[in-house]
Amino acid sequence: GIQVEQSPPDLILQEGANSTLRCNFSDSVNNLQWFHQNPWGQLINLFYIPSGTKQNGRLSATTVATERYSLLYISSSQTTDSGVYFCAVDGAYGQNFVFGPGTRLSVLP
Amino acid sequence: DTGVSQDPRHKITKRGQNVTFRCDPISEHNRLYWYRQTLGQGPEFLTYFQNEAQLEKSRLLSDRFSAERPKGSFSTLEIQRTEQGDSAMYLCASSLVVPNTEAFFGQGTRLTVV
Repeated sequence: GIQVEQSPPDLILQEGANSTLRCNFSDSVNNLQWFHQNPWGQLINLFYIPSGTKQNGRLSATTVATERYSLLYISSSQTTDSGVYFCAVDGAYGQNFVFGPGTRLSVLP
Repeated sequence: DTGVSQDPRHKITKRGQNVTFRCDPISEHNRLYWYRQTLGQGPEFLTYFQNEAQLEKSRLLSDRFSAERPKGSFSTLEIQRTEQGDSAMYLCASSLVVPNTEAFFGQGTRLTVV
């Protein structure tokens, strides 16, 4: 099945700093999503982005489908950005919606 | 629409008991997914339905796990003869198929087996 890797596994930032999270996947995809898991376990949708670039406030994402990676950019980070960020993909050949291992972000005041 | 709803939010059960969780998807979403998440790990796919058809169930963790979606609306996940290793967060998600398969998750059911 499709494999999903995320880097870095852990990231510690000072408030106001910028960061880039990466997601690599092993096969063609129909769907790629970025989620933020809050401390209560809720998965919050950030982006649906199987290709191209999107922006939402301080967050933006880019997926280069031909090179099988996606990037999530967080600018001017805030303490409320802390949590785990997951990338998940739905393979183009009927594979299941698979999650990466996540990046744990800690933003310090 | 209130989003994906899961019930109960928390469940404590004794080892060996059976438990059943319910998921109500976003209305008109024809795909429904179940995941398990243990501490420090990403969600692990278990099974999914398209309408009432269960299209993938080979990832269910053992024959103690079963899922149903009898009328293509809500779904239930049952674990029989629970074990301590079943303690985890169980997550449900739903999506359309057309125009895309963007998935939305419920708040999860946290199971503790004692």
